[in-house]
Amino acid sequence: DAKTTQPNSMESNEEEPVHLPCNHSTISGTDYIHWYRQLPSQGPEYVIHGLTSNVNNRMASLAIAEDRKSSTLILHRATLRDAAVYYCILDGGTYKYIFGTGTRLKVLA
Amino acid sequence: AAGVIQSPRHLIKEKRETATLKCYPIPRHDTVYWYQQGPGQDPQFLISFYEKMQSDKGSIPDRFSAQQFSDYHSELNMSSLELGDSALYFCASSLGGRGGFRGNQPQHFGDGTRLSIL
Repeated sequence: DAKTTQPNSMESNEEEPVHLPCNHSTISGTDYIHWYRQLPSQGPEYVIHGLTSNVNNRMASLAIAEDRKSSTLILHRATLRDAAVYYCILDGGTYKYIFGTGTRLKVLA
Repeated sequence: AAGVIQSPRHLIKEKRETATLKCYPIPRHDTVYWYQQGPGQDPQFLISFYEKMQSDKGSIPDRFSAQQFSDYHSELNMSSLELGDSALYFCASSLGGRGGFRGNQPQHFGDGTRLSIL
């Protein structure tokens, strides 16, 4: 399974944009890039996913590098409710997710 | 929209007892997944089922077993419980299929069952 690498933690000020990076240099051509976030004692929450092109939804944007070896989750205006652990996960059609250590995002009021 | 439902939400057992966790997937989802998350750890994949057949298996102890029923709900059975089994157990569901279609289907997680072993 291809591995992802994320910074352990990041901080952001409230109402400012946040860019959460993820490196996946061994990604294969069929791997989708999924992003989830997890609040304490809750299940991981789906945020966004993509394959090659940048993606937008109501929660966030996903920017995928041209060589697909990295991606960035963009929260356009961070709120206190966005404080969570963010996971970047690759899925090539297998029936499992391999969670890395994720990025703990702290949002400062 | 309907989400993944897990029961019970909390469960307290003693060592060497048995436990059964239940998972009801989102309607029309044919694939379920089980994950274990210990205190301060990241979720670890246990096992998954697609169309009632086991589709993948992770680091699931031999003391644990699971199955998916004809209505697509799933149960995780745990026997000879140990202190180290204390954790949050998450179930997720998705549409299944093969290859690229499967990879394009996000998993949707329930809120988990918190299992405490005394």
